[in-house]
Amino acid sequence: GQQVMQIPQYQHVQEGEDFTTYCNSSTTLSNIQWYKQRPGGHPVFLIQLVKSGEVKKQKRLTFQFGEAKKNSSLHITATQTTDVGTYFCAGPSRGFQKLVFGTGTRLLVSP
Amino acid sequence: NAGVTQTPKFQVLKTGQSMTLQCAQDMNHNSMYWYRQDPGMGLRLIYYSASEGTTDKGEVPNGYNVSRLNKREFSLRLESAAPSQTSVYFCASSEGSWDSTYEQYFGPGTRLTVT
Repeated sequence: GQQVMQIPQYQHVQEGEDFTTYCNSSTTLSNIQWYKQRPGGHPVFLIQLVKSGEVKKQKRLTFQFGEAKKNSSLHITATQTTDVGTYFCAGPSRGFQKLVFGTGTRLLVSP
Repeated sequence: NAGVTQTPKFQVLKTGQSMTLQCAQDMNHNSMYWYRQDPGMGLRLIYYSASEGTTDKGEVPNGYNVSRLNKREFSLRLESAAPSQTSVYFCASSEGSWDSTYEQYFGPGTRLTVT
């Protein structure tokens, strides 16, 4: 079945350092979504990318969708302690109503 | 506007006991989902309901049943709990359509321990 992998699984950075997580799908995706889950919390939607090569920015966060629409990345510039959490990518499976979530990247930021 | 609500927040069961997890959304969404999340792992889809009156299996449906009671409510039942079902259960909803993907809104989760 469709698989979505993320690397790294875990990253620990000092506040102010940059961070990137990569998402790779075994199949071509019509779109990709990103979610953030704070420790002990629930996933919260961040953004959706639809077009090949699309780049979107939200303040210090930059999201990119690959040209082949099989991979995506999330880059955080100058991390802050509020960025702590697990970041998941997710792509639709079998039509548009189900999502397959990536394995997630856990980010820890030390002050 | 409460979004997606789940009850209970915490539950401890003995092996073989049954229980129902409740989920409700007030956003008039068509689609609802049940996921489980095991420590250090991603979200795995148990069952989903694309629209009122329909339910379908997800990635890990064994040991679970669901009921889409109406447009607002989607319940998950464990008939005979097993320790392997110890997990955090999230309910989610989205607008849902046949030709587009919408963001999913998640409830706060139910932390279930089966001893």
